[in-house]
Amino acid sequence: EDQVTQSPEALRLQEGESSSLNCSYTVSGLRGLFWYRQDPGKGPEFLFTLYSAGEEKEKERLKATLTKKESFLHITAPKPEDSATYLCAVQLRGTSYGKLTFGQGTILTVHP
Amino acid sequence: DAGITQSPRHKVTETGTPVTLRCHQTENHRYMYWYRQDPGHGLRLIHYSYGVKDTDKGEVSDGYSVSRSKTEDFLLTLESATSSQTSVYFCAISETSGSINEQFFGPGTRLTVL
Repeated sequence: EDQVTQSPEALRLQEGESSSLNCSYTVSGLRGLFWYRQDPGKGPEFLFTLYSAGEEKEKERLKATLTKKESFLHITAPKPEDSATYLCAVQLRGTSYGKLTFGQGTILTVHP
Repeated sequence: DAGITQSPRHKVTETGTPVTLRCHQTENHRYMYWYRQDPGHGLRLIHYSYGVKDTDKGEVSDGYSVSRSKTEDFLLTLESATSSQTSVYFCAISETSGSINEQFFGPGTRLTVL
């Protein structure tokens, strides 16, 4: 069964304390992996798409990396405004309509 | 929110009543999706559309129907609402870019079925 597992479930950081979120997947064939940010009461906001192992994408304090079994979202020197739930999702090969399988998310809280 | 609106944003209804949620996009994207988000389950696909009048089921479609009569509108109907359908519903849109479908989400509708 295709699965996407995110860890930790919740992460509390001090402002400036860098860390990483993990998204591991067991799927039959990966077409793409996506990272989203979700603020309370809002819809997920698209951050990155990763296509193949070894790929990296960056945006401000965030950097996403991909291996054959997992993806990491590295947060460098986080600020309180980075507090949100971070979701990863995978799109499988053979799903042309873009079916995504989501993980449960990591709730990130950054304290000033 | 990538030109996506959902209505209503909040709704409280009673068990057994029909409910229709609307998703409207201004991006002219081909694909539209309805998801529900529940604690402990994450986001799960209900139905999706790949064009006007072209729809198909997702992983949790029982008790839901959809319609798409125009490119910009995708309706989700609960024929007879149940308490298990209390959830937050999100609409998403995408346009194929090669074989990857990056999806963009609307603001959500919080539905409570009493």
